[in-house]
Amino acid sequence: AQSVTQPDIHITVSEGASLELRCNYSYGATPYLFWYVQSPGQGLQLLLKYFSGDTLVQGIKGFEAEFKRSQSSFNLRKPSVHWSDAAEYFCAVGAQRGADGLTFGKGTHLIIQP
Amino acid sequence: NAGVTQTPKFQVLKTGQSMTLQCAQDMNHEYMSWYRQDPGMGLRLIHYSVGAGITDQGEVPNGYNVSRSTTEDFPLRLLSAAPSQTSVYFCASAYRGRIYGYTFGSGTRLTVV
Repeated sequence: AQSVTQPDIHITVSEGASLELRCNYSYGATPYLFWYVQSPGQGLQLLLKYFSGDTLVQGIKGFEAEFKRSQSSFNLRKPSVHWSDAAEYFCAVGAQRGADGLTFGKGTHLIIQP
Repeated sequence: NAGVTQTPKFQVLKTGQSMTLQCAQDMNHEYMSWYRQDPGMGLRLIHYSVGAGITDQGEVPNGYNVSRSTTEDFPLRLLSAAPSQTSVYFCASAYRGRIYGYTFGSGTRLTVV
């Protein structure tokens, strides 16, 4: 069975600073990887996804993520964060091309300092 | 195009009561799934479906039933509510074959007292 680990429960970053959120996955075959963002009291919004090809993927809101098979990682990055980026971020893996749903990490809560 | 619609948005149940959480999508997505979100636990898969008439269990299926009689609807039934089922429930859907990721509904906040 697949699993996802997000090592950081909370991360605090100053506005304008760069950001990296870590994600490690466990899955025996080619993973389908996703990053979602959840603002307080809201549903989940897809930031970006990886299935194959270029290991650096671009998403919405200026986010990008890099797939590293050798490290089983799919870290999310942003060069300069804005106060509106404060939210909960979830990494997820889908097996069977996503047919049997997604397995989520426990999330990273991002706090932006002014 | 409404996306994924969940009703109700809030619900309070007494222990032992039953209810159905509704989920409907108008995007003709084949895949649908239900998750529960608890503090510090992320989202955990309850049940999923790859098409009408086909459902299967996820990570935490106990106490929940689902059916998929149409492509559009995927209701989640709580058979006999327990306080441990207090949670936020999300429904999601996705295309088969073209992987754009799952689209999520806005959630149902359920409290069992």
